[in-house]
Amino acid sequence: KAGVTQTPRYLIKTRGQQVTLSCSPISGHRSVSWYQQTPGQGLQFLFEYFSETQRNKGNFPGRFSGRQFSNSRSEMNVSTLELGDSALYLCASSSSDGREQFFGPGTRLTVL
Amino acid sequence: AQSVTQPDIHITVSEGASLELRCNYSYGATPYLFWYVQSPGQGLQLLLKYFSGDTLVQGIKGFEAEFKRSQSSFNLRKPSVHWSDAAEYFCAGNTGGFKTIFGAGTRLFVKA
Repeated sequence: KAGVTQTPRYLIKTRGQQVTLSCSPISGHRSVSWYQQTPGQGLQFLFEYFSETQRNKGNFPGRFSGRQFSNSRSEMNVSTLELGDSALYLCASSSSDGREQFFGPGTRLTVL
Repeated sequence: AQSVTQPDIHITVSEGASLELRCNYSYGATPYLFWYVQSPGQGLQLLLKYFSGDTLVQGIKGFEAEFKRSQSSFNLRKPSVHWSDAAEYFCAGNTGGFKTIFGAGTRLFVKA
């Protein structure tokens, strides 16, 4: 099976812009989660989607949002970008038991 | 609150020496436990995982980890470190809730 894929791999934006990141889960996986990794805060959980519904949400401002499509592909959107949003954004998918998440290579976002 | 703690921010070992990276968890029940490695600018690579059963788990690249319920620990070990093992290592836990909690990471430096 193909692994989790994320596009784009690298992105440069300026403050105030918005950005959309995409994630395709492993075939058959219906749960997709997003994480932010920064040097200061480490790896933090953003949110999780299952069958097009957000089930869990981390402690992030409303500028961070996501959605999931009927084919389980997910997008994450960040509006009004701030310098502090520069990070590696990781997507992970899980099978139905949810005990292991399979991570994609990440999208590195740089906000100038 | 659920948490995973890695007490050592960084560790330096000589090439060929043994390695032990510490990890402690705090969960209501025993979580599923993982060790990941991340090289600079890269995503997460799974080294090994513990779900149940044998408390000594073998992973890739010659790594192993031992689950000790009495100490709430899941330490990672390698008998002989290679220069290519220099990276950041993350311990993580998951209770099957589609959300992984990560430790802060331990950066490993290898001396020639």
